[in-house]
Amino acid sequence: GQQVMQIPQYQHVQEGEDFTTYCNSSTTLSNIQWYKQRPGGHPVFLIQLVKSGEVKKQKRLTFQFGEAKKNSSLHITATQTTDVGTYFCAGHDMRFGAGTRLTVKP
Amino acid sequence: GAGVSQSPSNKVTEKGKDVELRCDPISGHTALYWYRQSLGQGLEFLIYFQGNSAPDKSGLPSDRFSAERTGGSVSTLTIQRTQQEDSAVYLCASSFTDRVHGYTFGSGTRLTVV
Repeated sequence: GQQVMQIPQYQHVQEGEDFTTYCNSSTTLSNIQWYKQRPGGHPVFLIQLVKSGEVKKQKRLTFQFGEAKKNSSLHITATQTTDVGTYFCAGHDMRFGAGTRLTVKP
Repeated sequence: GAGVSQSPSNKVTEKGKDVELRCDPISGHTALYWYRQSLGQGLEFLIYFQGNSAPDKSGLPSDRFSAERTGGSVSTLTIQRTQQEDSAVYLCASSFTDRVHGYTFGSGTRLTVV
């Protein structure tokens, strides 16, 4: 299966600051999915991107799929303590990146 | 059911014993994955079932691990002769074939081998 790499591994922000995590693949992806896992919880589906250059928004979250369909990003504007958790990306064969663990200081 | 159900939620077993973990996917979901997640780590792919197709077993770490899916619904993951490094949370996820709405994960089985 394809390999997806995620950076950064950890991110600690002050509440109100923005946050971005990046996902990169060695091969072209037919789609990419993003999941959030709260501490002690299980992954929860956030979104799927399919089209080259696609941008989708969910309130303060903005998801992008690169033109070459090899990379993707998740940007959170004005983080809140409820955003705490680990954010994972997964390629079309559901192999996950290592995740980015976000902590937010109130 | 309303969600993906996994049982047991917790399992403590002695080294060398066999264990069976169960996953009840959402009704109608044809795709099913098993993952292993060690504490603070990512999701390690184990096995993938899609309808009546042969499963993708490429993620199983050793021949002590096996899984089956009966009737395209319930799946069981079996670990034989458990070892301490098998201790982890085992997660199951299911989806419709088109995956448009993503995969729904169960709450997992926390396996502890002592």
